[in-house]
Amino acid sequence: QAVLTQPSSLSASPGASASLTCTLHSGINVASYRIYWYQQRPGSPPQYLLRYKSDSDTQHGSGAPGHFSGSKDASANAGILLISGLQSEDEADYYCMIWHNGAWVFGGGTKLTVL
Amino acid sequence: QTQLVQSGPEVKKPGASVKVSCKASGYTLSSKGFTWVRQAPGQGLEWMGWISGSNGNTNYAQKFQGRVTMTTDTSTSTVYMELRSLRSDDTAVYYCARGGVVGGTAWLDPWGQGTLVTVSS
Repeated sequence: QAVLTQPSSLSASPGASASLTCTLHSGINVASYRIYWYQQRPGSPPQYLLRYKSDSDTQHGSGAPGHFSGSKDASANAGILLISGLQSEDEADYYCMIWHNGAWVFGGGTKLTVL
Repeated sequence: QTQLVQSGPEVKKPGASVKVSCKASGYTLSSKGFTWVRQAPGQGLEWMGWISGSNGNTNYAQKFQGRVTMTTDTSTSTVYMELRSLRSDDTAVYYCARGGVVGGTAWLDPWGQGTLVTVSS
C-alpha cells in the first residue's frame, strides 16, 4: 500500500466545487501530518497551493488562487483539497505531499477535468 | 522577483553522468534550502533530495543514495544536481525548487522550469 493514494482522475463542471482526496496509509494518522498541495498545468512546473494540518495550522502560497482551501477527513484518514467555483484554468494535475520517515513523499496525483 | 532558472535539456548514454544546474535570482542561497524532484514522462513527482544553501548539508532519498550528489556555489547563486550511472528509467524532467526544509520553509516554491534529461543508447 502506498504512503499516499490519490484518485487518478476527477471530473467536475464549471462553477461547481471539487474535493480532491489524499488518503494516507492505514498505518499513519492524518492528524499528525501537514499536507502540502501542488497544482501542475500541462507543460509547466508544479505550483505550490497550500499547506493544511488544521484550521489553525494552514498556509496559502503567495501565488495561489483564493478559491482553494484545505481540510481533513479523519474518518477516511485523508487530506482534502477543496476547489470552489471551478474555472477552466483549474484543469490540471494535483499532487499532495507529506514528510514521512525522513523523506518527502508525493501522492500519485489526480487529473482534474473541468467540463 | 524570486525565480529559479535551470540549465537546458541533456541527452546521455546509459552509464554516463549528468549535472543539472539551477540558478537562483532575487535572494541569496545561504538563507534557503533547495530540493530536487523528478518526473518521468506521463508520471508523477518523485523527491530526490535536499541541500542546505547555508552549509551544504544534504538529505538524499534512499533510492538515489550513492548515485546522486547535490552541491551549491554561493558565488554564483547556483545549485547543482549530479546523477551518475544513468539508466533508461532515469529519463525524466528534473526540477529544482526552493524549500523542503522540515521545521522551516517546508513548502516548495518557486520551482525551476525543469530540465529534460533523456537517457538513450
